[in-house]
Amino acid sequence: GAVVSQHPSRVICKSGTSVKIECRSLDFQATTMFWYRQFPKQSLMLMATSNEGSKATYEQGVEKDKFLINHASLTLSTLTVTSAHPEDSSFYICSASRTSGTFIYEQYFGPGTRLTVT
Amino acid sequence: KQEVTQIPAALSVPEGENLVLNCSFTDSAIYNLQWFRQDPGKGLTSLLLIQSSQREQTSGRLNASLDKSSGRSTLYIAASQPGDSATYLCAVKGGADGLTFGKGTHLIIQP
Repeated sequence: GAVVSQHPSRVICKSGTSVKIECRSLDFQATTMFWYRQFPKQSLMLMATSNEGSKATYEQGVEKDKFLINHASLTLSTLTVTSAHPEDSSFYICSASRTSGTFIYEQYFGPGTRLTVT
Repeated sequence: KQEVTQIPAALSVPEGENLVLNCSFTDSAIYNLQWFRQDPGKGLTSLLLIQSSQREQTSGRLNASLDKSSGRSTLYIAASQPGDSATYLCAVKGGADGLTFGKGTHLIIQP
């Protein structure tokens, strides 16, 4: 159990366009979802935390108007990169957290989305 | 602000050796610590999770220890195999917050 999917796995877009990435918890309800970004040869950096039905909390330095996060249900969160630029090219990974018995606060990670902006 | 450091940054050893990867963190007020592996261009595979009240966790050839008071964790890999080659990431969690990751140890096991 505790499977998280992401779609798409890879996306190439032109500069100035917007891209939406979906993160789904397939077999559990995720009260909280997290979005991370990983640049080449770097570690993962937390971008934002989203709780179902409320506004996302963004980390310092992350533009909330550029990276729109919607957590409309307990199984789906979306990240939209608006007006993408080449410097937004990165590996985006989501994770989902549930609170259940001994699995309190454990995070389950999706497989990631490779975004390339040309 | 929590900071996580992993040493060494890279390691190359012959197949069959036992090895230790190190992780340190600056704020001991953590909820849990987790070790992941990441293969090139792929997502994360969770290896071991240690709750703050625990001292160690074991899974197969892997053993992770946690000394919360000193801000340290180690990942021990026994009888290493070429398939263990990957980047190993250490991450700590403070309550409901997201994870803070180290930069990882890039491990190569030579056949």
